Amino acid sequence: DGGITQSPKYLFRKEGQNVTLSCEQNLNHDAMYWYRQDPGQGLRLIYYSQIVNDFQKGDIAEGYSVSREKKESFPLTVTSAQKNPTAFYLCASLRNGGLLANQPQHFGDGTRLSIL
Amino acid sequence: AQTVTQSQPEMSVQEAETVTLSCTYDTSESDYYLFWYKQPPSRQMILVIRQEAYKQQNATENRFSVNFQKAAKSFSLKISDSQLGDAAMYFCAYEAGAQKLVFGQGTRLTINP
Repeated sequence: DGGITQSPKYLFRKEGQNVTLSCEQNLNHDAMYWYRQDPGQGLRLIYYSQIVNDFQKGDIAEGYSVSREKKESFPLTVTSAQKNPTAFYLCASLRNGGLLANQPQHFGDGTRLSIL
Repeated sequence: AQTVTQSQPEMSVQEAETVTLSCTYDTSESDYYLFWYKQPPSRQMILVIRQEAYKQQNATENRFSVNFQKAAKSFSLKISDSQLGDAAMYFCAYEAGAQKLVFGQGTRLTINP
């Protein structure tokens, strides 16, 4: 079955350390997204990419970096510059033109990142 | 900037009753999409219903329906015949161009047996 795979499910970061969250999709979707969710709050957009080798900042990009070298992969790096990284991170994908074609964003199961 | 506001952090309803979750949004666009997503304890995001702004008819999906008031920028979700499996966080979302979604803060819905 097609879907989005996020790994790991749980991740711990030490002070000053960079960590990378994986997001892989086999839906052949063009667009991919990273969201952050804090307890009791909605999702906020970190970065998104609508095509390979191109990506744009979302609303809270500071302290994060991404790459999009392959269509199916959109890893998110949480850098040491992100001072409050503890949150739940969700990856999503969408076929280009998807929202207009009645196709919703597909979400992964998320990664919970905590500080040691 | 577009914003989405859900003014009810928590709601509860008796099983088999009807409940309405509120959502307002701010935009200067005339064509856009609105969504309700459900997030159960598993943390998966599940699309419940969507509404296209240019359609006057309110969307309906089985027990779920919306009351879309474009002039008032209001988009409420009605759940009829509430079931225990409906218990979850519900998020209202607005499609803000470039196929990006802006989410509200969420409403935690509890179903009382």
